[in-house]
Amino acid sequence: DAGVTQSPTHLIKTRGQQVTLRCSPKSGHDTVSWYQQALGQGPQFIFQYYEEEERQRGNFPDRFSGHQFPNYSSELNVNALLLGDSALYLCASSFGTYQETQYFGPGTRLLVL
Amino acid sequence: DQQVKQNSPSLSVQEGRISILNCDYTNSMFDYFLWYKKYPAEGPTFLISISSIKDKNEDGRFTVFLNKSAKHLSLHIVPSQPGDSAVYFCAASVSTGNQFYFGTGTSLTVIP
Repeated sequence: DAGVTQSPTHLIKTRGQQVTLRCSPKSGHDTVSWYQQALGQGPQFIFQYYEEEERQRGNFPDRFSGHQFPNYSSELNVNALLLGDSALYLCASSFGTYQETQYFGPGTRLLVL
Repeated sequence: DQQVKQNSPSLSVQEGRISILNCDYTNSMFDYFLWYKKYPAEGPTFLISISSIKDKNEDGRFTVFLNKSAKHLSLHIVPSQPGDSAVYFCAASVSTGNQFYFGTGTSLTVIP
């Protein structure tokens, strides 16, 4: 079992560009959540997808959007990148909403210049 | 507004001794709490949880205590082992199905 996988591992973009991050959930999981972890901070909840729909959303602007595919994999899209979007983006998968079963991927490190 | 706070960025403990990691929260509606452990270059992994109907939950060497009146929880690791060296995050939510709010983490170093 590969666990939660994320791609790419690292990414460098410039301000104003758009970025897409990808996540494959752990086998048997149907819910994907995305988090942003800025340097020295804890993870901040962006949104959660279940049955291909956004079920919950944290306090992030509309520039952050996502998608979940029928195979439960997910994408996080960020438009009009700002310097402040530089962070580690973590994907977590779970079965339903039970957080104890939430497994995190290693993250994608995004640097915006 | 940081609703979950871990005021100690780092902690060093001798192997075999007790490690105590603290976490404070401001939202009285929080009723479910988790601790996560994170090694470098890996995502956080679930360690232990507690709901507000309990004041203590134990799992092997790890015990979490919850003081609702003080809005404070703590993680005790006894005895501490070098492999416990990691960053520990506490997280809180209003019921188990809702978004979690994470603290800023405490980096624990267990000295052999």
